[in-house]
Amino acid sequence: TQLLEQSPQFLSIQEGENLTVYCNSSSVFSSLQWYRQEPGEGPVLLVTVVTGGEVKKLKRLTFQFGDARKDSSLHITAAQPGDTGLYLCAGSSGGYQKVTFGTGTKLQVIP
Amino acid sequence: GAVVSQHPSWVICKSGTSVKIECRSLDFQATTMFWYRQFPKQSLMLMATSNEGSKATYEQGVEKDKFLINHASLTLSTLTVTSAHPEDSSFYICSAFSADTQYFGPGTRLTVL
Repeated sequence: TQLLEQSPQFLSIQEGENLTVYCNSSSVFSSLQWYRQEPGEGPVLLVTVVTGGEVKKLKRLTFQFGDARKDSSLHITAAQPGDTGLYLCAGSSGGYQKVTFGTGTKLQVIP
Repeated sequence: GAVVSQHPSWVICKSGTSVKIECRSLDFQATTMFWYRQFPKQSLMLMATSNEGSKATYEQGVEKDKFLINHASLTLSTLTVTSAHPEDSSFYICSAFSADTQYFGPGTRLTVL
């Protein structure tokens, strides 16, 4: 069974602070996705990383895929209240294979 | 991007009744759809893989006779929770792939009284 552990589980920070969320596994994934989910809604895709060592930037968000494709991180710079939500990483073994979701990180950004 | 819809968005039912949840891919065809369950403040747990024209594949621990899945067309999969009990109350989310990207529906909140 493939497991994806996220840390921290909960994070409450002040507006303007930086933060990093980690997603770790003992399994190798062909690609890894990061989602953000707001209460009562489905997850929304933020980014997909496919190459070991790959770094992608999306405005204030920086995503990195580990060299061995077993882990990933999400770094948010100057967090804003609009960043509040549940962040989920998800690993895929390729194509239309089922996706394994991480344990989730609930982020709260206080104005 | 592609759009996946779910209906209803929320439903309240009495214990012992059955509830059907629909998942539609609006602008693309999906031979495979996925059903997830999410408890409050927790991550998504895959329940089953819905395959168009064939039987669904259920994850370990998911009762196939309780959670009936029908994928009768390339744009529609349904999940029926049979003889629902309060412990079945949860947020159910479906997803489908389009061009190697997974798109999620908005979810259905089920409350069993």
